[in-house]
Amino acid sequence: KQEVTQIPAALSVPEGENLVLNCSFTDSAIYNLQWFRQDPGKGLTSLLLIQSSQREQTSGRLNASLDKSSGRSTLYIAASQPGDSATYLCAVKGTGNQFYFGTGTSLTVIP
Amino acid sequence: KAGVTQTPRYLIKTRGQQVTLSCSPISGHRSVSWYQQTPGQGLQFLFEYFSETQRNKGNFPGRFSGRQFSNSRSEMNVSTLELGDSALYLCASGGTHYGYTFGSGTRLTVV
Repeated sequence: KQEVTQIPAALSVPEGENLVLNCSFTDSAIYNLQWFRQDPGKGLTSLLLIQSSQREQTSGRLNASLDKSSGRSTLYIAASQPGDSATYLCAVKGTGNQFYFGTGTSLTVIP
Repeated sequence: KAGVTQTPRYLIKTRGQQVTLSCSPISGHRSVSWYQQTPGQGLQFLFEYFSETQRNKGNFPGRFSGRQFSNSRSEMNVSTLELGDSALYLCASGGTHYGYTFGSGTRLTVV
């Protein structure tokens, strides 16, 4: 069974810093990997989707990379802002059409 | 295009009752997945429906059931509610290639 781990579980940074969130998975046979953001009590907002054949995706200040062979993905956030404060989740789509979620990284950006 | 719509947004039920939650996927999407999110367990997969057929099922008791209609709308039913069923229930539509889009969720409180 696929296991997805996110490190760190919580992160607090001053505004303006660049930061990296990590996601690792145990089974490299994936279709894609998706990063989400979740605000308290809300649903999940998709940030970036990386297909298994891709190495990275970018959207604005966000950049996600994928290394299937090592079972790792990173989400890079440039010039962090207080509005970036949220929980960030990565999820991998593997065989069996199931989506496996990590436990999330809770990010706080201090003004 | 309209996103994923979940109704109702909030529910309060008494232990022992049953509840039905609804999810309307993005137009054209035939896959609908359901997840339960609790502070202690994180996001757990309930089941996935594709073209009115249950394609995958998570590890939940038989009290949790679902179905999908010909218009792709899906319902999830929980019978004989327990206090531990209190959670945010999230629905997602999408597919392997385009990733998943989540609804805002239904917050169920069992008292």
